[in-house]
Amino acid sequence: QVQLVESGGGVVQPGRSLRLSCAASGFTFSNYGMHWVRQAPGKGLEWVALIWYDGSNKYYGDSVKGRFTIYRDTSKNTLFLQMNSLRAEDTAVYYCARECSGGGCYATDYWGQGTQVTVSS
Amino acid sequence: EIVVTQSPGTLSLSPGERATLSCRASQSISSGYLAWYQQKPGQPPRLLIYGASRRATGIPDRFSGSGSGTDFTLTISRLEPEDFAVYYCQQYGSSPPKYTFGQGTKLEIK
Repeated sequence: QVQLVESGGGVVQPGRSLRLSCAASGFTFSNYGMHWVRQAPGKGLEWVALIWYDGSNKYYGDSVKGRFTIYRDTSKNTLFLQMNSLRAEDTAVYYCARECSGGGCYATDYWGQGTQVTVSS
Repeated sequence: EIVVTQSPGTLSLSPGERATLSCRASQSISSGYLAWYQQKPGQPPRLLIYGASRRATGIPDRFSGSGSGTDFTLTISRLEPEDFAVYYCQQYGSSPPKYTFGQGTKLEIK
């Protein structure tokens, strides 16, 4: 079955960096676009980034553009999110999610359980 | 930039009742670009509907989506106890690709 397991979260000081990982299994990772979505405490969902199935294109939400980088390692079936210049407002649970298959979906059909990132001095 | 607004913020209903949740976009979008998710406390979101009206795998048929242009609706025909949760709509925008979530509707037991 499809599994997405995030790791790498923790407490980090403002201005520092953190790298999140998402280990994928149960499907052909190289065939799917992948997303990061975050949720601040008690708040709604915010889309963070998307990487195409082959890594050829990457897109970012306005609030993280220029600071975060999404990438993937197909040999390890792993998705990453490199987060630099972290701010207090980046505090959230970070989810990785799979773009659903088939044409015309434009949604995410599987999600991990999330990893908590807290930016605080 | 397209803004997505959900209403109401909170909906109080009883099991067995019909729920109607609204999602409005600030400009017309393709029906293919509208999805709905359910999220329960401490859990990740679950895809319910994509393409405005297509149920995701394993989703009960009491959930249905409709709408076009700027106005979209998620309907739960007869509420079950497990349906009380927060619901988000999500819009996909192209050029460049970008996903935008509504602020959510909390469906609570009356």
